[in-house]
Parts: sequence; structure tokens; C-alpha cells
Amino acid sequence: KAGVTQTPRYLIKTRGQQVTLSCSPISGHRSVSWYQQTPGQGLQFLFEYFSETQRNKGNFPGRFSGRQFSNSRSEMNVSTLELGDSALYLCASSLSGGTQETQYFGPGTRLLVL
Amino acid sequence: GEDVEQSLFLSVREGDSSVINCTYTDSSSTYLYWYKQEPGAGLQLLTYIFSNMDMKQDQRLTVLLNKKDKHLSLRIADTQTGDSAIYFCAEKGQGGKLIFGQGTELSVKP
Repeated sequence: KAGVTQTPRYLIKTRGQQVTLSCSPISGHRSVSWYQQTPGQGLQFLFEYFSETQRNKGNFPGRFSGRQFSNSRSEMNVSTLELGDSALYLCASSLSGGTQETQYFGPGTRLLVL
Repeated sequence: GEDVEQSLFLSVREGDSSVINCTYTDSSSTYLYWYKQEPGAGLQLLTYIFSNMDMKQDQRLTVLLNKKDKHLSLRIADTQTGDSAIYFCAEKGQGGKLIFGQGTELSVKP
């Protein structure tokens, strides 16, 4: 079974631009979560989607948004990019996001904001 | 609140055992996880333990859980240079999100 895939793997943007990242979960998985990893803050939860609905949200500004499609693929969008948004963005999938389920991670998208 | 703490660095010699420690705060956590991250890569699930267990062994990996002290450890037997990576401890927080520690960088010297 193919794992979680994320595209693109690398991105370079400038301040003020916006960016869209994509995540395809493991086949059959309907829950997709997004995390941001930075050297200073570590791994932080952004949001979780299930059945095209945002079910859980972390403590990030409204510039960070996401959505999920009927095939469970998810995108996250960051508008008005700031230098501090430079990070590795990781997507994880699980069957339904239940507390007993394991989350499997993709390779991440590395975003550099100049 | 939800918080997970790990020591930042560990250096061992090839063939030795490595022990990576973690403490967590949420006593209601039902599952605790260990993930491995190699340079430039995502997170690889190594193993997990259910909170009603105190030990789990999986080949070279042994997880010990002391629920009273909220202490979790990962022991890697016969550590190899390929085990060099960052190891993250994580607990399941509210709503099913993962709460991660800062990561322990394991360096294995030949």
C-alpha cells in the first residue's frame, strides 16, 4: 500500500505571497492532520480534517487554512507569507482519526520564505 | 495541560544500548508513540504503547512505561550507525492530535 504523499517537496516563496501544499493520505484513510516543524517551536499541530470537515484546530493564525476533498486528499494554504512560516510541513493520515489510531506521516514539504 | 519533555542529545558507541527518555503530563493519554526522523525526511513510526501496558518489545526496541511517574523510555539494543536520527516521543492529546517532545538527537559513533 502506498504511503502518505506530499507535493511539492520543496518550495521557495517571498514574503507576502501565498502557498498551497497538497497531501494524499494512505488509501482508505479518511483523517488527515497537518503539523508544522521548525527548529524553534518543534512539531506543532495545525489542523485535522475528516470527511471534508475541519474537526480540530491548533493555535495558528487565520492565515493558515486547509480543506479536504471527497477523495480524502487535503490541501493547506498559507496566505501573506512571513519569514517565520519557513518550516517543514508534515501531513499525517489515519483511518478515522480516533484516539486509538496511529498516524502515519508523509515526507513533508519544506517551505522557505525569503 | 499537555506537555512532553525529552533530553536533547544522546551519544553512544556502536553495539551499545541506547535509552531515550520522555516525560508527559496528560494522564488521560491512552497511547504513547515513538517516531524517528532522519535528516531531510518525515516521521517514521517506530512503535507505540497502550497506557495499560508497562512494557512492549519489538525486535531491538523496548518501550517501558511508568504511568505513575508519567515516564516513557525507548531502549534500542545493539545500536547501529543507521540508528543515528532524531527520536520523538508523542502523546495523543485532546481531539486526537499528537503532542510531541522536542526530539532527542541520537548520535552513534563507530
